[in-house]
Amino acid sequence: DADVTQTPRNRITKTGKRIMLECSQTKGHDRMYWYRQDPGLGLRLIYYSFDVKDINKGEISDGYSVSRQAQAKFSLSLESAIPNQTALYFCATSDPGVREQYFGPGTRLTVT
Amino acid sequence: GENVEQHPSTLSVQEGDSAVIKCTYSDSASNYFPWYKQELGKGPQLIIDIRSNVGEKKDQRIAVTLNKTAKHFSLHITETQPEDSAVYFCALPEGNSGNTPLVFGKGTRLSVIA
Repeated sequence: DADVTQTPRNRITKTGKRIMLECSQTKGHDRMYWYRQDPGLGLRLIYYSFDVKDINKGEISDGYSVSRQAQAKFSLSLESAIPNQTALYFCATSDPGVREQYFGPGTRLTVT
Repeated sequence: GENVEQHPSTLSVQEGDSAVIKCTYSDSASNYFPWYKQELGKGPQLIIDIRSNVGEKKDQRIAVTLNKTAKHFSLHITETQPEDSAVYFCALPEGNSGNTPLVFGKGTRLSVIA
């Protein structure tokens, strides 16, 4: 089984809808991240959490919110989706003692 | 915050040739320099990293070199193979402590032509 899983893998939704992307990990890592990938723009950090009680905004947090339900779960919400939030979204985890980040397989979100 | 620029954005090489991707950064205190590879349909994966106390690190066909004076680091792939075709990202810690996330470059799409 994959160490970092994301659900759904693909989602098409309409403008104005609320949507939640979920991330689960079995690596036992305290740190979790949400990134957005757009062509030519690389990976941009949306939110990150260093433990269950810690939530931090990243470079592009506007229009997004997160919830860290447990050490293993970190969800990303779009309260009112808009077309320019169409992108590939990645969850990642890391251990405090090691810099390496482990990425999930991604969620392709399309907002029409 | 840290600023990282990655070049080129796309790179095509013949199988067996070498490929070089370069990243420049702004914060001279940066001390950790990783490279990630993203294959089609997958999330990025760490392939090699280097700390600021060394100038070069090799792992089989890949190597990373660091020039702290000029503030740039490069990924070198020798004897390229079709399976090296992917998007490559450099990254840097946003700050100097161990409690800062990574800032990623915009990526380089490498195509190895058989």
